[in-house]
Amino acid sequence: EADIYQTPRYLVIGTGKKITLECSQTMGHDKMYWYQQDPGMELHLIHYSYGVNSTEKGDLSSESTVSRIRTEHFPLTLESARPSHTSQYLCASSEGPSGPLPNEQFFGPGTRLTVL
Amino acid sequence: GQSLEQPSEVTAVEGAIVQINCTYQTSGFYGLSWYQQHDGGAPTFLSYNGLDGLEETGRFSSFLSRSDSYGYLLLQELQMKDSASYFCAVTTGFQKLVFGTGTRLLVSP
Repeated sequence: EADIYQTPRYLVIGTGKKITLECSQTMGHDKMYWYQQDPGMELHLIHYSYGVNSTEKGDLSSESTVSRIRTEHFPLTLESARPSHTSQYLCASSEGPSGPLPNEQFFGPGTRLTVL
Repeated sequence: GQSLEQPSEVTAVEGAIVQINCTYQTSGFYGLSWYQQHDGGAPTFLSYNGLDGLEETGRFSSFLSRSDSYGYLLLQELQMKDSASYFCAVTTGFQKLVFGTGTRLLVSP
């Protein structure tokens, strides 16, 4: 059973507010990822990290930022939320290439964000 | 650009066999994965093909042909609980995934 958590699960917020979506995993995985998924659509990678103090932008441009100060924690921040940010945000983690399951990503339950 | 194409929807009855195809065009390729996602749920890993051929895991099998940039997921002995969306995903490097458009599978009694 994968142990990856996201809070909050649902968030409704007004335009211009600053928000932070939390993601934590207890598996000691080096690699962590943030995806954005609209209803019925594919997942798009917006940020990823190979380890502490490592962050990279994904394939889909995003106004959000991330940080990786601790292995287990990978929060995503939006400085000024807009209606266009309304979506589901999924966090995932995976082992390094030397692990037994390097090709499997474990996903958290997601945060469904609505910006009014 | 990068693209992974899948049929948008497939319907089948309980006990049947269904195949979901995936064709891809990506800037890098290390392997093809399949994920299942129920409505409102998180994606869960089903299978991975790094080499050509068939991988079997219980009722699910996955196939890859790198020369054809093509793969498929085969689901046998369908059950109602298999109704979900299925995504293929290419590992493009450094364990990054590019996901396909997704196939919604509807299993009826």
